[in-house]
Amino acid sequence: KAGVTQTPRYLIKTRGQQVTLSCSPISGHRSVSWYQQTPGQGLQFLFEYFSETQRNKGNFPGRFSGRQFSNSRSEMNVSTLELGDSALYLCASSDRTGNTGELFFGEGSRLTVL
Amino acid sequence: GNSVTQMEGPVTLSEEAFLTINCTYTATGYPSLFWYVQYPGEGLQLLLKATKADDKGSNKGFEATYRKETTSFHLEKGSVQVSDSAVYFCALSDVPDMRFGAGTRLTVKP
Repeated sequence: KAGVTQTPRYLIKTRGQQVTLSCSPISGHRSVSWYQQTPGQGLQFLFEYFSETQRNKGNFPGRFSGRQFSNSRSEMNVSTLELGDSALYLCASSDRTGNTGELFFGEGSRLTVL
Repeated sequence: GNSVTQMEGPVTLSEEAFLTINCTYTATGYPSLFWYVQYPGEGLQLLLKATKADDKGSNKGFEATYRKETTSFHLEKGSVQVSDSAVYFCALSDVPDMRFGAGTRLTVKP
């Protein structure tokens, strides 16, 4: 089974631009979660999508948004980029039908905002 | 609400030393507990898990026991290697809620 795939792996943007990150979950997984990881704040939950519906949302401004498609692939978008948005963005998928709630992570998209 | 508190790092050990990284949790239900590891430049990988009280998760020489009476899930390894240098995250899942600790950076020196 292929793992979680995130694209692009690395990208550089300037302040004010917007960015779209993509995540393909493990086949059969219908839940996709997004996390932001920074040295200062650690791992912070952004949002979770399940069957194209946002189920949970973390404490981030409205500039951070996401969506999920019918094939479970997900995208997240950050508009009007700020320097503080520089981070590793991690996507994780799960099947959500099991009791453990185990998450399977991709390798992340490293965003640098200049 | 649910939360996880793990030992702050960084932790520096010599090769073959004994490792303990403490993790305690607060949960209203009956969560599953996990340890994830993140190697430099990579995403998080599941290291081990335990789904109910008294379960012991183990993998690659690492172990952790789900202790309900002390609400703990401490990570241990008897003899660490340089290749174990990474950041370790304790996490709990009470579906749909998933909580991570702050992470503990481990450096193992030869």
